[in-house]
Amino acid sequence: AQSVTQPDIHITVSEGASLELRCNYSYGATPYLFWYVQSPGQGLQLLLKYFSGDTLVQGIKGFEAEFKRSQSSFNLRKPSVHWSDAAEYFCASTGGGNKLTFGTGTQLKVEL
Amino acid sequence: SQTIHQWPATLVQPVGSPLSLECTVEGTSNPNLYWYRQAAGRGLQLLFYSVGIGQISSEVPQNLSASRPQDRQFILSSKKLLLSDSGFYLCAWRARGDSRNTIYFGEGSWLTVV
Repeated sequence: AQSVTQPDIHITVSEGASLELRCNYSYGATPYLFWYVQSPGQGLQLLLKYFSGDTLVQGIKGFEAEFKRSQSSFNLRKPSVHWSDAAEYFCASTGGGNKLTFGTGTQLKVEL
Repeated sequence: SQTIHQWPATLVQPVGSPLSLECTVEGTSNPNLYWYRQAAGRGLQLLFYSVGIGQISSEVPQNLSASRPQDRQFILSSKKLLLSDSGFYLCAWRARGDSRNTIYFGEGSWLTVV
C-alpha cells in the first residue's frame, strides 16, 4: 500500500535560516508528489507538485522540493525562512488513482 | 475560477446528536470530491471520496456517512455523534480524469463533540 512518512513532527528554525522538511514515500512506481501548507485553523494550500521531468520543483512563497528516486524522498526546502512561514506542512502522494495519501505533517516554528 | 465552500466553520455538538457538514464546489463540473478528517496532533485521514452523483467510497469504518445528492455537493453526516468524532473536517475537490490534477481544499469545519 502507498504511504508517506514525514519523520519530523516538529522543527524550529531561526528566521533567515535555511529549512529542509523531509518526506519519504512508499510506492512501486513513480508517484505524483505534493507539498501543502496549513496555517492554524485553515484549509490546506498547495505549495508545489511533482509529476515527472526535472526533479527540482519550484513552488510558491520561495519553496522548492527535490525528488530523489534512489532515496524515495521529496524534501521541501527554503533558503531563508520568514516568520510567516510558521505553519504545518504536509507531504502527499498519489499513485495515479483517485486518492491522495498524506503524511502526518511537520509543524514548523520560526524563532525571531 | 473554481471555489469550494464548506460550512459550518465551527460547531459544538453533544454526544448522540446528529451531524451535517456541507460542501459545494463552484466553477467546475464532475469533480472528484473528498472528505478528510484531521484529529489533533495527527495527519489527514481520508474518510470518503466520490467520483459522481450517488457514488461514495468509504475508506475507514466509522460512525459517519457521506452523500452526494448533486454533482457539486458533498455532505458528511452522522446520526449519533461520538466523542471520538471531534476534529477538523476538510472537504476537497479535484478535476476529473487526471490524477495529476491538484486537490484543492476548503477552509475546514471544526467539530467539537461534548
